[in-house]
Amino acid sequence: GDSVTQMEGPVTLSEEAFLTINCTYTATGYPSLFWYVQYPGEGLQLLLKATKADDKGSNKGFEATYRKETTSFHLEKGSVQVSDSAVYFCALSGSGAGSYQLTFGKGTKLSVIP
Amino acid sequence: DARVTQTPRHKVTEMGQEVTMRCQPILGHNTVFWYRQTMMQGLELLAYFRNRAPLDDSGMPKDRFSAEMPDATLATLKIQPSEPRDSAVYFCASGESGTGELFFGEGSRLTVL
Repeated sequence: GDSVTQMEGPVTLSEEAFLTINCTYTATGYPSLFWYVQYPGEGLQLLLKATKADDKGSNKGFEATYRKETTSFHLEKGSVQVSDSAVYFCALSGSGAGSYQLTFGKGTKLSVIP
Repeated sequence: DARVTQTPRHKVTEMGQEVTMRCQPILGHNTVFWYRQTMMQGLELLAYFRNRAPLDDSGMPKDRFSAEMPDATLATLKIQPSEPRDSAVYFCASGESGTGELFFGEGSRLTVL
């Protein structure tokens, strides 16, 4: 079945540092890929997405590129802020019939210190 | 701003009691999901509906959990009887099928003593 593997956290960075959170996936066909973010005390919200190979999703300074050859969708940001402290989830949506659900990774907690 | 609304936000109850959590999905969304989040297990899919029909509830303990959508504006998750191991945050999410994008509620934090 489909699966998503994320780097384990927690990740602690200083403000303005470069961020990479690795994500690899296993899926049949051509899934869509997503990054969701969960701020403390809130539900998850979509950060960015990519629906086909070589697409780059971007939002709020975050980027991720759909790499089919390496089955990866790594999240990057050039300069993190304290307000980016949250848990980040990589997810995929299958491409087959009935693929209504998302498969989530376990999440990576990011803490940014001033 | 359209959003998914969940009630209650917090619930503390004793073992053996019935717990009902409610969710109002975003108007026009035809898929509704229930997730449970714990530190140990992360996010677990419990059940989901499309056009109010249950599609998959294999993630749910059948003997004590039940999920329903009595109408398009209400989804419920019931636990009877509740146990301490059910303590978690329960999230409802809705979306349009085929987009892969889900909108999550703020969650219901359940504590079973």
